[in-house]
Formats: sequence, structure tokens, C-alpha cells
Amino acid sequence: AQSVSQHNHHVILSEAASLELGCNYSYGGTVNLFWYVQYPGQHLQLLLKYFSGDPLVKGIKGFEAEFIKSKFSFNLRKPSVQWSDTAEYFCAVTASGANNLFFGTGTRLTVIP
Amino acid sequence: KAGVTQTPRYLIKTRGQQVTLSCSPISGHRSVSWYQQTPGQGLQFLFEYFSETQRNKGNFPGRFSGRQFSNSRSEMNVSTLELGDSALYLCASSLPRLAGGGNEQFFGPGTRLTVL
Repeated sequence: AQSVSQHNHHVILSEAASLELGCNYSYGGTVNLFWYVQYPGQHLQLLLKYFSGDPLVKGIKGFEAEFIKSKFSFNLRKPSVQWSDTAEYFCAVTASGANNLFFGTGTRLTVIP
Repeated sequence: KAGVTQTPRYLIKTRGQQVTLSCSPISGHRSVSWYQQTPGQGLQFLFEYFSETQRNKGNFPGRFSGRQFSNSRSEMNVSTLELGDSALYLCASSLPRLAGGGNEQFFGPGTRLTVL
């Protein structure tokens, strides 16, 4: 079975600081990888996704993630965070072509103005 | 284009009752998946329906069931409610699988179920 680990439960940053959120998964086959964001009071939105090809993927709002197959990792990055990035971030994985997403426990990001 | 809609948004039930939640996918999306979100267990996959057939099922008891109609709308049902069923139930829809690739799922706002 697949599983996802997000090592940071709560991250607090000042505006303009750089962000990196860790995500590791366990699955032996080909995977699809996702980062979702849940802003306060809003529903889950897709930040970015990796299906195949270039392991460095760019998403919305300046976020990017790098798939490192040898490390089973898909870390999320942003060079300069804004107060509006305050939200909960979820990493998710599924077998290629499947729809049953396995989510990490989430990382709460608080950005201080 | 309208997003995924879920009704009702909030629901309060008592133990032993049953409940039905509804999900309308984005127009043209034929796959509907359901997830349970709780503070303790996080987001967990319940089941997926495609073309009115259950295609995948998570590790939940048989009290949790679902169905999909010919217009792709889906319902999930929880019978004999327990206190631990209190959660946010999320529905997600997606287009048919891309050739050689994957699916992007679009989530609805969820139904907040409270079991007293």
C-alpha cells in the first residue's frame, strides 16, 4: 500500500522567507504526485502535479516541486512566501492512472507579515 | 465552469441514524471519488465511481457505501452512524484518465457531518 510522510507539521515563516516542505512517499511502482493547498475556510485546490517527464514542476502562485525518484521525494518550494500563503499544504500520491489519492497528514504554514 | 458541488454543506445526526450525502461533479467529469477528512486520521480515500461502477474502494467498513447515476452525480451513504463518523466528507471529480498519464482531481467544499 502507498503512504505519504510530511515531516513538518507546522511551519512559521516571515514574509519573503523561502519555503521548502518535505514529502516522502512509499510505493514501488510508477506514481502520480500532487500538492494540494487548503486556505482557511476554502476547499482543497491543486497547487501542482507530476505525472511524467521533467521532474521539476511549476505550479500556481510561484510554487514548484521536484520529484527525486531515488529518494521517493516530492518537496514543495517557494523562493519568497507571502502572508496570503498561510494555509495547510497536503502532499498526495497515487499509482499512475489511478484516482485513489493517498494524502500526507498536512503541513500548516503560517506566514507572519 | 461550475465547480464540484456538494449538498448539504452541514449536517447533524445522532448515533444509529443513517445519512446520504450528494455530489455533483464538474460538467464532463465522469469519475467521482469520496474522501473523509478528520483531525486524527487526516484525508482518507473512501471509494471511486466511474460510469456508475465502483472502481476502487478504501479501507472503510461496509456501513459506508456509494453509488453513481447516469449523469455522473454521486451519493454516499453511511448507515448506523457512530460518533467517530463525524468528519468533513469531500467529493472530487476528474476527467477520464489521460493516455499514459494521470488524473487531476477537483475537490468540492465538503459536507461537514456531526454525529451526536
